[in-house]
Amino acid sequence: SHELTQPPSVSVSPGQTATITCSGDSLAKQYGYWYQQKPGQAPVMVTYKDTERPSGVPERFSGSRSGTTVTLTISGVQAEDEAAYYCQSGDTRGTYTVMFGGGTKLTVL
Amino acid sequence: QITLKESGLTLVKPTQTLTLTCTFSGFALSWSGEGVGWVRQPPGKALEWLALHYWNDDKYYSPSLESRLTITKGTSKTQVVLTMTNMDPVDTGTYYCAHTLTFCIEDACSFTMDVWGQGTTVTVS
Repeated sequence: SHELTQPPSVSVSPGQTATITCSGDSLAKQYGYWYQQKPGQAPVMVTYKDTERPSGVPERFSGSRSGTTVTLTISGVQAEDEAAYYCQSGDTRGTYTVMFGGGTKLTVL
Repeated sequence: QITLKESGLTLVKPTQTLTLTCTFSGFALSWSGEGVGWVRQPPGKALEWLALHYWNDDKYYSPSLESRLTITKGTSKTQVVLTMTNMDPVDTGTYYCAHTLTFCIEDACSFTMDVWGQGTTVTVS
C-alpha cells in the first residue's frame, strides 16, 4: 500500500485541463513533488517544492497545495502529455525516507 | 550537465546478491544536500525508493528493505554502488539511480530526484 493516495486514472480531451491529486498525512509537513513517466522511459520531474517548475518543463504544468493534498494541473493538455504521473514526498516520522504515490495514468482521449 | 548511468548483472538467481553501479558525471557529490539515490519499479507497478548516499557519507534506506540493502561509494569518486542480498523473483524490475536534492520546510526535510539514469532491468529467475 502507498501512504500517498492518487487516483489510478484520469482522462481528458486535448486542450482541456487535467488535475491529478495526491493526498497523505506527510504532506502536512513535507513538500510534494511530481514526476512524469512515459512508457519505457525514466521518470522526469515536472514540479518540485509543491509549486516550482524545473527549467525546460512546459508552463502548462503547475503544482499547488491545500492542506494535506497536492495537485498537479496540466492546462491545455496535449497528446504528448499522456503518461503516468507519480507524486512523492518525504516521511515525517523522524526517518529520512522517500515515499511515492501509486501513480495516475493520464489518458488523452 | 548531470548524467547518471546504471550498470551491473541483469540476471540473477534467487538467493543471490545483486550489485548495481551508478556512474555519474556533472557533479561531485560534495555539495550540501545532494546525493545519489536508487529507485526501482516492478513491471507495470509504481516507483519504490530504495536508498540514498548523501554528500556527507550518510546513508539512508527504505525501512522495509533496509536489512537487505547496502549503499556505498564505488572505487571511483563518480560511482555509487547498491547491493541487495537474498534476491527473490518479486525483486524483478527496472532499477534507476538518480541525482537527489534536499528541500526543507523549517525542520522537516525531504529528498527529491531531479535527474534520473535510464534504468537497468533486473530479472530474478
